[in-house]
Amino acid sequence: DQQVKQNSPSLSVQEGRISILNCDYTNSMFDYFLWYKKYPAEGPTFLISISSIKDKNEDGRFTVFLNKSAKHLSLHIVPSQPGDSAVYFCAATVYDNYGQNFVFGPGTRLSVLP
Amino acid sequence: DVKVTQSSRYLVKRTGEKVFLECVQDMDHENMFWYRQDPGLGLRLIYFSYDVKMKEKGDIPEGYSVSREKKERFSLILESASTNQTSMYLCASSPAGGPGANVLTFGAGSRLTVL
Repeated sequence: DQQVKQNSPSLSVQEGRISILNCDYTNSMFDYFLWYKKYPAEGPTFLISISSIKDKNEDGRFTVFLNKSAKHLSLHIVPSQPGDSAVYFCAATVYDNYGQNFVFGPGTRLSVLP
Repeated sequence: DVKVTQSSRYLVKRTGEKVFLECVQDMDHENMFWYRQDPGLGLRLIYFSYDVKMKEKGDIPEGYSVSREKKERFSLILESASTNQTSMYLCASSPAGGPGANVLTFGAGSRLTVL
């Protein structure tokens, strides 16, 4: 049972337009949410995060929105650039018996077309 | 520049071989993790460790073991490799608290092919 879901395996966007990547979660105990970007043959790199007590966080071209009542978050990239083409993973953190645990979604492959 | 280093980027092994994947971090992080990444399945947690000599099973520990003898080093061991363990293996670390505690830093990954 996936606790973090990314229902779109892939997304194509024209350069300069907005990219919107979506993520849904089921565990109301998640307290922190992150987005990671991954190029082929490389490890994921941290992109942006948001605490569960906030509803928006912005960093340059990247904005993450959190809707706790809907258990939904989204990543907006404006404007999209060809270098943004990568797999994007949504992740959430929760404290369990051992400490902090990170749960990842299956990823969305973004293609930004020139 | 702080980093997580995975010693082998690409490995090809035969079924039944013992495989060691090494991971070293230079950030003095307490927490270390091993994930595998497969298309459509995302990152799945194999094992994690919150302290030296400590290890806990993640979501898919079967067929794997780990070793953490020093704080900076976390090794993943495949006792007898099988073809269904062909995957990208990712090591990550995070501090136990303070700034950055909510962020994992990943290594570049180890692509393992088992024939």
